[in-house]
Amino acid sequence: KQEVTQIPAALSVPEGENLVLNCSFTDSAIYNLQWFRQDPGKGLTSLLLIQSSQREQTSGRLNASLDKSSGRSTLYIAASQPGDSATYLCAVNRDDKIIFGKGTRLHILP
Amino acid sequence: SQTIHQWPATLVQPVGSPLSLECTVEGTSNPNLYWYRQAAGRGLQLLFYSVGIGQISSEVPQNLSASRPQDRQFILSSKKLLLSDSGFYLCACGGTGVQPQHFGDGTRLSIL
Repeated sequence: KQEVTQIPAALSVPEGENLVLNCSFTDSAIYNLQWFRQDPGKGLTSLLLIQSSQREQTSGRLNASLDKSSGRSTLYIAASQPGDSATYLCAVNRDDKIIFGKGTRLHILP
Repeated sequence: SQTIHQWPATLVQPVGSPLSLECTVEGTSNPNLYWYRQAAGRGLQLLFYSVGIGQISSEVPQNLSASRPQDRQFILSSKKLLLSDSGFYLCACGGTGVQPQHFGDGTRLSIL
């Protein structure tokens, strides 16, 4: 059974710092991995999708990496801003099932 | 691009009452559709997914059911709600190929 773990559960950093969020999964046979952002009381917004054959994806200040063999992904956020405060979730897909981690609640201190 | 409509946004129901949450999708055809529940302090729990009309896969045994009567319509139902059914229900589509998964705005369900 696929399990997705995100560490840390919560993180507070001063504005301007670079930071890394971690995601690990137990079954490496995945089709893709996605990172999402969720603001309080809202739905999820897709940030980055990495296919199983890819190693990383970049969008603006965000960079996500994937090491499928070790079951790990990281989301790197450069030059953090208060608007980056949200919960970040990773999700892995296999056989049409998409399983989520519990998320990392990020707070950027102004 | 895909748009997912969920309603209502908020719902308060008494224990034992029935439930019907509807989700419709625009901008795509034959999508994979998903229902998730997010309880307070917990992650997204996959409840049901569907790869086509009438095809429903259940992930968690419970008193909820799902149906897909049309290609872009996904319905979550219950005959008798329990207190434990409270939570934030999210409908989603896609995410199994090169396109990312898209989510609706969710329904916050409170059981009294």
